[in-house]
Amino acid sequence: NAGVMQNPRHLVRRRGQEARLRCSPMKGHSHVYWYRQLPEEGLKFMVYLQKENIIDESGMPKERFSAEFPKEGPSILRIQQVVRGDSAAYFCASSPGDGVSGYTFGSGTRLTVV
Amino acid sequence: EDQVTQSPEALRLQEGESSSLNCSYTVSGLRGLFWYRQDPGKGPEFLFTLYSAGEEKEKERLKATLTKKESFLHITAPKPEDSATYLCAVQASGGSNYKLTFGKGTLLTVNP
Repeated sequence: NAGVMQNPRHLVRRRGQEARLRCSPMKGHSHVYWYRQLPEEGLKFMVYLQKENIIDESGMPKERFSAEFPKEGPSILRIQQVVRGDSAAYFCASSPGDGVSGYTFGSGTRLTVV
Repeated sequence: EDQVTQSPEALRLQEGESSSLNCSYTVSGLRGLFWYRQDPGKGPEFLFTLYSAGEEKEKERLKATLTKKESFLHITAPKPEDSATYLCAVQASGGSNYKLTFGKGTLLTVNP
């Protein structure tokens, strides 16, 4: 499967715990984007990363949320001290960054905070 | 701020009954308008990109059109397997041209 791989598919966390969401982009794609989909809402941009660089994190809450895309390995979206309002589907997309090709989305991680 | 409004929120059709979904948008400068299909529990699946008013693209029973203010996704003789949520998104020109602004989607149900 050469698509965007996200894991886990489902994640349940108690309030106050940490959530780590992983995303491996498509082969040949060096640009990663994270989007959040809240119930009854559209997908919202969170953060745009290239290898070892955060390009734009303007859509990400300033507290408790962080993202990285290391030189080796998947991109990680980390949510510390989760609250019920963090329950959502988190989608990762990747692109080759050529300014022409569209994005390919993964199947998402569904986070439930209990 | 870029905005995308999709209508209707939900649409129920009988198999073979053609219809259209609407996507109205406000953007400072349009770089591209995207249509995606999303099945339950899955991520958005790319359908089309439109770049300029007057452009049309087709794929099987789907045809997307674009004007300066809106886009339509026409579904001709739909089948039950076309049931899904259809998402519209815009990409603005300028500094943050990598961002997609999505609408809330139209949930299409096609009954056999």
